[in-house]
Order: sequence, then C-alpha cells, then structure tokens
Amino acid sequence: GAVVSQHPSRVICKSGTSVKIECRSLDFQATTMFWYRQFPKKSLMLMATSNEGSKATYEQGVEKDKFLINHASLTLSTLTVTSAHPEDSSFYICSATHKRESTDTQYFGPGTRLTVL
Amino acid sequence: AQKVTQAQTEISVVEKEDVTLDCVYETRDTTYYLFWYKQPPSGELVFLIRRNSFDEQNEISGRYSWNFQKSTSSFNFTITASQVVDSAVYFCALSEAYNTDKLIFGTGTRLQVFP
Repeated sequence: GAVVSQHPSRVICKSGTSVKIECRSLDFQATTMFWYRQFPKKSLMLMATSNEGSKATYEQGVEKDKFLINHASLTLSTLTVTSAHPEDSSFYICSATHKRESTDTQYFGPGTRLTVL
Repeated sequence: AQKVTQAQTEISVVEKEDVTLDCVYETRDTTYYLFWYKQPPSGELVFLIRRNSFDEQNEISGRYSWNFQKSTSSFNFTITASQVVDSAVYFCALSEAYNTDKLIFGTGTRLQVFP
C-alpha cells in the first residue's frame, strides 16, 4: 500500500511553454500532497504543500505564479510549470501523506525529470 | 533552527562489508520525528523508517539497523553485509511535532557497493 505515481516520468519542452506534472496516490486517499524540487546531487527542497480543495502553501522563494498547484481530489495533485525556462530544469518529486495514518509519513512518487531547452 | 547534517557525501564499500551512515540533527523542539529514505538510481524515494523523539530504542529490520542517540542528536543507519542493491543515495530527514508536514532533509549520502 501507499503507492504514489507521477506522470510523466520525463519531459523535454521548449523555453516559454508550460508543462503539467501529475501526482496520484494510487491505493490511498492523501490528506496532503507535497511538491519538491531536487537539483543534481543535491537534497530535496520543499516547494509547496497542498490540501485537497484549498490553495497551496508555498515555501519562501517559490513563485506562486510560476509553479501552479492544483489539488482537485484526495488522490490527485498537479504542478504546472508556466513559461518554463532552462533554469527550471530539475527533478520534481511529489509526496503524499495517508489520510488514515496518524504518522504523517510521506510517501514519494518516482519523480519527473524536466528538461527545458 | 532545524537542520540535518549528513557529513558523508559518498561512501564506497565492497559487498558484505558493514557500513554506517551518519546523521546529526538540530532542533529546538522536544517532540520531533526522524526519517531515513533511500533513493535508488531510478529516483523514487523509498521510506525506510520513522522514529519519534520519545523512542530511543534501537531498531533492526533485516540487514538494516538504526541507532538513535538523543544525547548526541544522532540517528545513524547501519547496513550489515551490504549488497550491490544497496547502492543508492540515503537521506536522513527531520520533522517537528508542531509542523509534521515539513520534512527537512539532509544533503544525502551516496553509497556505492561494489561486487
């Protein structure tokens, strides 16, 4: 149990275009979903936290208008990178906490590698 | 301020060796949680363990064991008889009771196990 999927796993896009990444909890309802960014050989940096039906909470320094997060249901959150630029190239990882668990353990998706040309 | 330090950037061992990955944390909170995650080359973070600050008992799970010492603010991870499949980046993380949503990660330790 507690499987999180992401789609796509890899995307290459041209500068100026928008890219949408989906995060789904496959076998559980997620209380909260999180979006992280990981640079090569670096740690994970939390970008934002989203709860179903409410606005996402962004970490300091993360542009809300650039990284749009929608949490439409208890099993789906999307991250849209708008007007992508080469510096947005990174590994984006989502995670989710299990609604029924009291431990708040985050279960991570497999990540999406974004390359902006 | 909360902080997690993994001083070992990279460790290389030969199969069957034991290896310990260090994790030192800083927090002002008295209630907190510590985690270890494994990130294999595929990229997905795999949850290994969660420990709360009131439980200092060491834990063993197969070849994995964890040593939690509040006195030194450390939560070290030992792999016994390492295998090639253990090769990955291992992250230690901290969350505080008042904000369990926020995981603070260390910079990770890359473990390479050679046959």
